[in-house]
Amino acid sequence: ETGVTQTPRHLVMGMTNKKSLKCEQHLGHNAMYWYKQSAKKPLELMFVYNFKEQTENNSVPSRFSPECPNSSHLFLHLHTLQPEDSALYLCASSQEETGNTDTQYFGPGTRLTVL
Amino acid sequence: RKEVEQDPGPFNVPEGATVAFNCTYSNSASQSFFWYRQDCRKEPKLLMSVYSSGNEDGRFTAQLNRASQYISLLIRDSKLSDSATYLCVVNAGKSTFGDGTTLTVKP
Repeated sequence: ETGVTQTPRHLVMGMTNKKSLKCEQHLGHNAMYWYKQSAKKPLELMFVYNFKEQTENNSVPSRFSPECPNSSHLFLHLHTLQPEDSALYLCASSQEETGNTDTQYFGPGTRLTVL
Repeated sequence: RKEVEQDPGPFNVPEGATVAFNCTYSNSASQSFFWYRQDCRKEPKLLMSVYSSGNEDGRFTAQLNRASQYISLLIRDSKLSDSATYLCVVNAGKSTFGDGTTLTVKP
């Protein structure tokens, strides 16, 4: 519906596993974002990519590693996560990061549980 | 001080009530403003943009007050389906999301 898809929708992983979250946007946008939302908490911006270049890293631990191979795809590689990393991970895209009238469109999210 | 501040609520109102939320912002250079809606365990979705002249979409009215640096969202004739968290977004070159205001409409 929104033109932003995320896979998987649900993920359960152990603390020693390595997994990746994928986001794809079909809107022709140039900026992509990763957000974390813990239960009943506000959105926390994690990373921003604008024209494939990372422009923001909001003091995110190195166990989260983003990758943006092109303007349509964004990955979040996960390794040695902690139980407190369990959350809804949302991807969003917009025309470009610094557009004054920019609107972000969100994917459905990946609900991650770390055991 | 946060760049964008919202009353977290919760606002609990009966069906048919009128409810209003405010959102204040600190950057006077902010140029565009939006309201998003987020249902429980779902992604945020754009509800409406906020224009200087104010704008209305059915039961929803958004207003901007640049002098006092706040935007508002008014919901008339509340429905059960309006229960959600409403996020204010302010763009001063890039978008900043508020923490959200939770609305529960009860029968």
